[in-house]
Amino acid sequence: EAGVAQSPRYKIIEKRQSVAFWCNPISGHATLYWYQQILGQGPKLLIQFQNNGVVDDSQLPKDRFSAERLKGVDSTLKIQPAKLEDSAVYLCASSLPEYEQYFGPGTRLTVT
Amino acid sequence: AQTVTQSQPEMSVQEAETVTLSCTYDTSESNYYLFWYKQPPSRQMILVIRQEAYKQQNATENRFSVNFQKAAKSFSLKISDSQLGDTAMYFCAFSRGSNFGNEKLTFGTGTRLTIIP
Repeated sequence: EAGVAQSPRYKIIEKRQSVAFWCNPISGHATLYWYQQILGQGPKLLIQFQNNGVVDDSQLPKDRFSAERLKGVDSTLKIQPAKLEDSAVYLCASSLPEYEQYFGPGTRLTVT
Repeated sequence: AQTVTQSQPEMSVQEAETVTLSCTYDTSESNYYLFWYKQPPSRQMILVIRQEAYKQQNATENRFSVNFQKAAKSFSLKISDSQLGDTAMYFCAFSRGSNFGNEKLTFGTGTRLTIIP
């Protein structure tokens, strides 16, 4: 069974630029999560989808971050414009009810 | 809101020895799950072990076991016969509710574990 796929693995941008990350969850997993992991900290949930509906986006900085999950499968997370404090690893995870969350390899974003 | 605290930023132990990582949490929920995740340098989060709060018996997975003290809100991870491949960041995490497949994880700040040959 293929795992959670994410791309790109690394991205370097200048502040005020925009960037987008892509996630393809495990086939059949209805729930998809985006976490932000700042260096030295544990991951923090940005947004949770159930199929293509948003369950929790209370921690998403909506003035600059947006996310969508069209057709309830893959998802994109966008930052526009990026700030220095957005430098982090962005992790995508997916799950089935009653089962664990499976994580992708993450995208390391550096904002200069 | 839930909080998870890991008070040991770094630990190291000789190969084949036993090591215990500490975690405390705070919640007003009655139904919840606790987890230990491993994050090697590859960044891939891997589930090590899971504990259901309603179960009194401590979870065990091969060389990994937990000491779950519900009243004290403590959840430690014991790694026996440590191996070089255990070197990684370890995160304690909390998930509320009775359906952990649909609930977000709240993570601690992690413990960097190094196994010394």
